[in-house]
Amino acid sequence: AQSVTQLGSHVSVSEGALVLLRCNYSSSVPPYLFWYVQYPNQGLQLLLKYTSAATLVKGINGFEAEFKKSETSFHLTKPSAHMSDAAEYFCAVSGTSYGKLTFGQGTILTVHP
Amino acid sequence: DAGVTQSPTHLIKTRGQQVTLRCSPKSGHDTVSWYQQALGQGPQFIFQYYEEEERQRGNFPDRFSGHQFPNYSSELNVNALLLGDSALYLCASSLGDRTPDTQYFGPGTRLTVL
Repeated sequence: AQSVTQLGSHVSVSEGALVLLRCNYSSSVPPYLFWYVQYPNQGLQLLLKYTSAATLVKGINGFEAEFKKSETSFHLTKPSAHMSDAAEYFCAVSGTSYGKLTFGQGTILTVHP
Repeated sequence: DAGVTQSPTHLIKTRGQQVTLRCSPKSGHDTVSWYQQALGQGPQFIFQYYEEEERQRGNFPDRFSGHQFPNYSSELNVNALLLGDSALYLCASSLGDRTPDTQYFGPGTRLTVL
């Protein structure tokens, strides 16, 4: 069984500041990990994914995430926030069960000018 | 190259009615998964279809059923609607022979049950 915990349902940063969104997972098998972004009234867009290759994963729009097995974490970062980054972000885990995704509760990112 | 498409965009039903939602996968994909996203929550897995069969199912009652057609498109049916079924229903497509392949999501269907 897999589960995901996203620490902080709301994160607020200033434009140009570091973005850090936290995700911890639990998995009984080697996990595959994903970050998705959801803009209001839209579906989910894949930001990046970890599939047991490099532990530091680079995604779209300047985001990256680091897989840390010892900490069971997969935190999402971006060095400099942009107003267009304001959205809800979901961390998800998948095992070997045909790709079924288990999502966290989501983190709403607000970017202030 | 068209991505995942879903119809309708919005739907309003009353309690006890039945509803059918439709999904066309991304070109080249053969697997369709359905998720329910209640307001303020993360998506929850309903079921997955591959080769026209339900391959895996989440913790949802039998009122939720589905179908996959030979062209890989899929339908989600919900019978005897409850107020709690109000949610955004997301369809995702992927390649079934890669485990786990990346799932690409459609824009969703917003279902409101009155």
